[in-house]
Amino acid sequence: DTAVSQTPKYLVTQMGNDKSIKCEQNLGHDTMYWYKQDSKKFLKIMFSYNNKELIINETVPNRFSPKSPDKAHLNLHINSLELGDSAVYFCASSQMGLAGGTDTQYFGPGTRLTVL
Amino acid sequence: GQNIDQPTEMTATEGAIVQINCTYQTSGFNGLFWYQQHAGEAPTFLSYNVLDGLEEKGRFSSFLSRSKGYSYLLLKELQMKDSASYLCAASAGTALIFGKGTTLSVSS
Repeated sequence: DTAVSQTPKYLVTQMGNDKSIKCEQNLGHDTMYWYKQDSKKFLKIMFSYNNKELIINETVPNRFSPKSPDKAHLNLHINSLELGDSAVYFCASSQMGLAGGTDTQYFGPGTRLTVL
Repeated sequence: GQNIDQPTEMTATEGAIVQINCTYQTSGFNGLFWYQQHAGEAPTFLSYNVLDGLEEKGRFSSFLSRSKGYSYLLLKELQMKDSASYLCAASAGTALIFGKGTTLSVSS
């Protein structure tokens, strides 16, 4: 039933570790996104993929690497985690995402990452 | 540059009407979204305006003036469950640019 799902919901890890967050959507959408929401609740786009192809790659450290094995999945791998990476990471999807970004985006439940 | 401004916090009482304003400056503007986010949850879609004017959806309405770079979200007959953050987001190019959100507290 779940439209956009993410795992894990919570992730607590030590500085320097490598971790992955998985995202899946069953809406048949062509475009998927990763957002970061910091402690001040500011939601900022990180990446966007359309049909497995990278469309948006905002200024994000190259320790963050998205991977899209198929258009229903967009995973986020983070290397050498730092304290400042602590945030809530949201995955989202939309029907097309190329028509001027006018398609409604549907968000996953979020992954709360805490780096100690 | 890209800039979205909305008030940080607002308070209101049950049954009242509240208007949350949003001003934006973005290149390649296509339309304006409003999302609702309850604490600890994902943002959920409320409304989308691409043309000037008012869009009404039950207790919620959203207005857009493209020439003024201005939008508002109007919430009527407020209920306690409307306590949440309301995020204004401008569609620019292929991305959504979010404001920092307005936290609305509804009291009885």
